[in-house]
Amino acid sequence: AQSVSQHNHHVILSEAASLELGCNYSYGGTVNLFWYVQYPGQHLQLLLKYFSGDPLVKGIKGFEAEFIKSKFSFNLRKPSVQWSDTAEYFCAVISGNTPLVFGKGTRLSVIA
Amino acid sequence: EAQVTQNPRYLITVTGKKLTVTCSQNMNHEYMSWYRQDPGLGLRQIYYSMNVEVTDKGDVPEGYKVSRKEKRNFPLILESPSPNQTSLYFCASSFRGRGVLYFGPGTRLTVT
Repeated sequence: AQSVSQHNHHVILSEAASLELGCNYSYGGTVNLFWYVQYPGQHLQLLLKYFSGDPLVKGIKGFEAEFIKSKFSFNLRKPSVQWSDTAEYFCAVISGNTPLVFGKGTRLSVIA
Repeated sequence: EAQVTQNPRYLITVTGKKLTVTCSQNMNHEYMSWYRQDPGLGLRQIYYSMNVEVTDKGDVPEGYKVSRKEKRNFPLILESPSPNQTSLYFCASSFRGRGVLYFGPGTRLTVT
């Protein structure tokens, strides 16, 4: 079965530090890839998505992610985090005819 | 405004008392899904529906029922709730299950 791994459960960074959250998936065929963000007390919302084309995808709030097919990865990056980026981040994958599969999430805490 | 709505937003109930959480979307999406979110376990899919009268089990369907009699509505039914169903529940919808998933605001359920 398709699976999505987010290796970091909880990441703590100081403001202005760079961020990279890992995401790996198991399916070898064509995939659609997503990062969702959940701010404290809110529902999930889309951060960015990759369907095809340029493997470097830019999303909202300065986030970007790079699709590396050979590594089955779709890591999320931001060069300089802010306190307001404190949230939980979920990677998700659609492949074949299977519904969207989520990773377990990475909690990001940004401290001043 | 395009949205997914859920009701109620908060519910405290007792073991064994049947309850229904409603979910409605106004985007004419074919695909709808229910998730539960628990600390450390991420998002787990309960049931999903690819279209009217078509429903399928997700990862954790035990103790839940769903129905999809209309395109816009996808209620979640707990026939006999138990304390282990205390959780945060999200409904979501997307276009044919292939695109961006839009989430409802969540329903926080406590079963005592």
